[in-house]
Amino acid sequence: ETGVTQTPRHLVMGMTNKKSLKCEQHLGHNAMYWYKQSAKKPLELMFVYSLEERVENNSVPSRFSPECPNSSHLFLHLHTLQPEDSALYLCASSQVGGNADTQYFGPGTRLTVL
Amino acid sequence: AQSVTQPDIHITVSEGASLELRCNYSYGATPYLFWYVQSPGQGLQLLLKYFSGDTLVQGIKGFEAEFKRSQSSFNLRKPSVHWSDAAEYFCAVGAKTSYDKVIFGPGTSLSVIP
Repeated sequence: ETGVTQTPRHLVMGMTNKKSLKCEQHLGHNAMYWYKQSAKKPLELMFVYSLEERVENNSVPSRFSPECPNSSHLFLHLHTLQPEDSALYLCASSQVGGNADTQYFGPGTRLTVL
Repeated sequence: AQSVTQPDIHITVSEGASLELRCNYSYGATPYLFWYVQSPGQGLQLLLKYFSGDTLVQGIKGFEAEFKRSQSSFNLRKPSVHWSDAAEYFCAVGAKTSYDKVIFGPGTSLSVIP
């Protein structure tokens, strides 16, 4: 595997379910990101982990819980979601330090909350 | 604060025609600028980036962009569009904080007529 991978690619869940999204980067990067992309809205940054520490949490509801066990893996744990949480969830990674660098994105998980 | 505007929500061009997608940014210092493309149901793919140096930047798939500081613009161009270029295009401005912070524009949707 190369680049940034995300699983599952599609997820349908009820409002009372608990599920997790997984992201893995194979680029040797030290920062990872979760974004939410809803229809007709700009990308919303949710969480950032840099050197395995959470450095950004953009007022995301507590029903979304990130976890970064190491620099290659990032999870987004979901529980008691609402229908308005249906969106494409994108993971990205970058190498922080030195000159500004680039975020590389995974293919996303399409989440539908019923 | 950094911001990015893409004045055109949707553009339709004929295959073989030239293309220019507009991007304007607001940033207090020398910006890091990016163009990403997103095909339906996919993640974002980096087309090109500008950090410094030559203001005309070449990217993948035959795209180029020109940084114009006086106009705060970073427009994307392609001399001859292919049907496979139909996608959503995002301009973004980057800033160095404790991570690679990137602010995305709202996107321009490109349709290509055969």
